[in-house]
Amino acid sequence: GQQVMQIPQYQHVQEGEDFTTYCNSSTTLSNIQWYKQRPGGHPVFLIQLVKSGEVKKQKRLTFQFGEAKKNSSLHITATQTTDVGTYFCAGDGYNKLIFGAGTRLAVHP
Amino acid sequence: DGGITQSPKYLFRKEGQNVTLSCEQNLNHDAMYWYRQDPGQGLRLIYYSQIVNDFQKGDIAEGYSVSREKKESFPLTVTSAQKNPTAFYLCASSTTTGGIHEQYFGPGTRLTVT
Repeated sequence: GQQVMQIPQYQHVQEGEDFTTYCNSSTTLSNIQWYKQRPGGHPVFLIQLVKSGEVKKQKRLTFQFGEAKKNSSLHITATQTTDVGTYFCAGDGYNKLIFGAGTRLAVHP
Repeated sequence: DGGITQSPKYLFRKEGQNVTLSCEQNLNHDAMYWYRQDPGQGLRLIYYSQIVNDFQKGDIAEGYSVSREKKESFPLTVTSAQKNPTAFYLCASSTTTGGIHEQYFGPGTRLTVT
């Protein structure tokens, strides 16, 4: 079945360093969504990418969708302690989302 | 104030007992979902429903049951057949029309079975 892989599983950074998480699908995606889950909280929608090669920015966060629509990345510039949490990508399955396993980000002040 | 509510936040049960987790939404969403999350793990889909009186099994439906008698409500029953029920359970909903079908998640229920 359709699978979405996400790496790395876990990343430690010093505050101010950059961070990137990568998402790869076994099949071509019609769109991809990104979510953030703070420790002890629930996932919150960040963005959806639809077009091949699409790049979207939200302040220090940059989201990319690959040309072949099989991979995506989330890059955070100059991390802050408020960026702590787990970032999930999710590919569009039939009437459902296929979530990656998530990348847990720890930021040390 | 629109959103998804799940109750209770924490739930404790003895092994062998069935337990029902509540999920209610007032977002007028057609689709609702149940996920299970284990410590340090991703989200695994248990059941989902696109419309009232219809639902489909997700990846880990064994030992769980659901109903969708009302658009607003999608309760999940964890039965005694579920071998390892202790987990964090998340309910979500989404629209099925328009361009973006983002999922809105409830605050979750942490179930502990001993």
